[in-house]
Amino acid sequence: NAGVTQTPKFQVLKTGQSMTLQCAQDMNHNSMYWYRQDPGMGLRLIYYSASEGTTDKGEVPNGYNVSRLNKREFSLRLESAAPSQTSVYFCASIFRLAGDEQYFGPGTRLTVT
Amino acid sequence: AQSVTQPDIHITVSEGASLELRCNYSYGATPYLFWYVQSPGQGLQLLLKYFSGDTLVQGIKGFEAEFKRSQSSFNLRKPSVHWSDAAEYFCAVASYSSASKIIFGSGTRLSIRP
Repeated sequence: NAGVTQTPKFQVLKTGQSMTLQCAQDMNHNSMYWYRQDPGMGLRLIYYSASEGTTDKGEVPNGYNVSRLNKREFSLRLESAAPSQTSVYFCASIFRLAGDEQYFGPGTRLTVT
Repeated sequence: AQSVTQPDIHITVSEGASLELRCNYSYGATPYLFWYVQSPGQGLQLLLKYFSGDTLVQGIKGFEAEFKRSQSSFNLRKPSVHWSDAAEYFCAVASYSSASKIIFGSGTRLSIRP
C-alpha cells in the first residue's frame, strides 16, 4: 500500500495563477480531508469529504474548491492564488471516524509570490 | 466550541531526560484524543490514540499518554528521550459523530540537547 499520496511536493505560483493539488489513497478509506499548516497555527481544515459524492467546508475554505473524484481521489483547487495561500498543504484520510485515526500524506509546499 | 491547547510552543530537554508535553482540550462529550509527531519536512505520524477504556495509553517509540477527564488533559510522556525524538508534536481531538470535528493543537516543537 502506498497510503496517502500527494502531488506535487513543491510548487511556486504567481499571484492570480491557478493550480490543483492532487491526493489519492489506496486504503479504501471513506473520508478525506485537506488541511493547511502554517507556523504556530497547527493544522486547519480547509475542506473535507465524509464520503464519496459529498464535500463540506471546514474552518478556512475561502479561496479553495475541492472535488471528490471517486473514493480514492480528492483534489484541492486554487482558482486565483494569493500570497496568503502560501502554506504547506496536507491531505488525510480515515476509514471511519468512530474508532480510527487519520492517515496523512507527505504534504505539498506551496509558495505564492 | 471545541478547542485544543498546547501551552508550550518549544521545549528543550537533554538526551536521556524525561519528557512531558501538555495538551488540554475543551469538548462537551467524551472525545477521541490523539498525539501525532511530525519530523521536519514530513507528514504526520500517529503516536497513540485514546477512544475509551484504560486512561493510560501506550504508543509507538516508547511514548505514553494519560487521559484525565477531571483536568481535560491528555499529556504525552516519555521516560527517556533520544535525539531522534526531536520533532513537532500535535495533540488532536475528534468528535464521535462528525467527520469535520477533528481539531488540532498548534503544536509543540521538541529540541534535544546532546
